[in-house]
Amino acid sequence: DTGVSQDPRHKITKRGQNVTFRCDPISEHNRLYWYRQTLGQGPEFLTYFQNEAQLEKSRLLSDRFSAERPKGSFSTLEIQRTEQGDSAMYLCASSLSYNQAGNTIYFGEGSWLTVV
Amino acid sequence: DQQVKQNSPSLSVQEGRISILNCDYTNSMFDYFLWYKKYPAEGPTFLISISSIKDKNEDGRFTVFLNKSAKHLSLHIVPSQPGDSAVYFCAAIERLTSYGKLTFGQGTILTVHP
Repeated sequence: DTGVSQDPRHKITKRGQNVTFRCDPISEHNRLYWYRQTLGQGPEFLTYFQNEAQLEKSRLLSDRFSAERPKGSFSTLEIQRTEQGDSAMYLCASSLSYNQAGNTIYFGEGSWLTVV
Repeated sequence: DQQVKQNSPSLSVQEGRISILNCDYTNSMFDYFLWYKKYPAEGPTFLISISSIKDKNEDGRFTVFLNKSAKHLSLHIVPSQPGDSAVYFCAAIERLTSYGKLTFGQGTILTVHP
């Protein structure tokens, strides 16, 4: 499978605990994105990386959230001191640099987070 | 402020007929538009895209139309098949200032009846 891979697919955690999600993008893709989706809404942008550099962060990404892409390949999204409002699907996506003709942002299957 | 809107939460169509999904946007700086299809508990799957320099793009059963003056785009699926039943999202991007940020609509649930 050469698509975007996310792990774990499902996570149930108690409020106040920390959780970490991992994303492995399509191998030749230098851009990596994190989105969040709640029920009945479209995905909302959180942040993106060009190689290892984090180029943009949404205001949705509070100080409890941190994303890294240390070697420009896989990425992790950590949520500290989880709250019930963090319950959502966390989507990772990847693409080539967008100014190249014909590229597209491809999504992984998502990681479901339930905070109880 | 919802910059991309899909005003129809759901659409029901008979197999073999045309499905038309609509999307409106408010940000005139958006210059690239995409449609994604999503099944429950899965990530969005890319369907088709269109640049703002075009008004139509076709790929098999899927055609996207863009009306820049009206800030409106639509996705036509002809003929519709039961396997097309899913949530469809339109998304827009402003490539000049924010290459990485897709802005999504709320989605339209398409149901194709056999």
